[in-house]
Amino acid sequence: AQSVTQLGSHVSVSEGALVLLRCNYSSSVPPYLFWYVQYPNQGLQLLLKYTTGATLVKGINGFEAEFKKSETSFHLTKPSAHMSDAAEYFCAVKNDKIIFGKGTRLHILP
Amino acid sequence: KAGVTQTPRYLIKTRGQQVTLSCSPISGHRSVSWYQQTPGQGLQFLFEYFSETQRNKGNFPGRFSGRQFSNSRSEMNVSTLELGDSALYLCASSLVTTGGYEQYFGPGTRLTVT
Repeated sequence: AQSVTQLGSHVSVSEGALVLLRCNYSSSVPPYLFWYVQYPNQGLQLLLKYTTGATLVKGINGFEAEFKKSETSFHLTKPSAHMSDAAEYFCAVKNDKIIFGKGTRLHILP
Repeated sequence: KAGVTQTPRYLIKTRGQQVTLSCSPISGHRSVSWYQQTPGQGLQFLFEYFSETQRNKGNFPGRFSGRQFSNSRSEMNVSTLELGDSALYLCASSLVTTGGYEQYFGPGTRLTVT
């Protein structure tokens, strides 16, 4: 069965600092992997996805993620945090259906 | 191109009642999925419809049902509402392209059961 684990339900970083949100997955077959962002009282917005090919994936708003098969990880990074990045972030894996992680709430400190 | 729309956005119901939520996918998308989001359980998959057929189903009781119409619009029904059904219900439409699989979410319907 597939599953997704996001380390840290809350992460705080200073404005301008590196953002690193961790995601590990388990899947019996090579999966599709996604990162979504959710702002208060809104739906989920796709940040980026990995399907096949290049393991470093660039998304919107300066985010990127690297698929590491040997580590079964798909961590999300952004070199320099902005106040507008404060939101909840979800990692997801898809085989026959999409399974989401519990989410990580990102706080940006001024 | 218009995004995924969900109606209503907010709903208050009483225990024991039933409720129907509606979702209109992005034009051209034939797959619609439903999710329940709660603070305690996070995002949980309810079911997926493709071309009017249920393709996948999550682990929810039979009180939760859905359907999809020929125009790809989908409805979700919850009967005999319980307090624990209070949640944000998200609909997503999806498409398989040469670039892979993409899923787009609507803003959600916030259901409060009292």
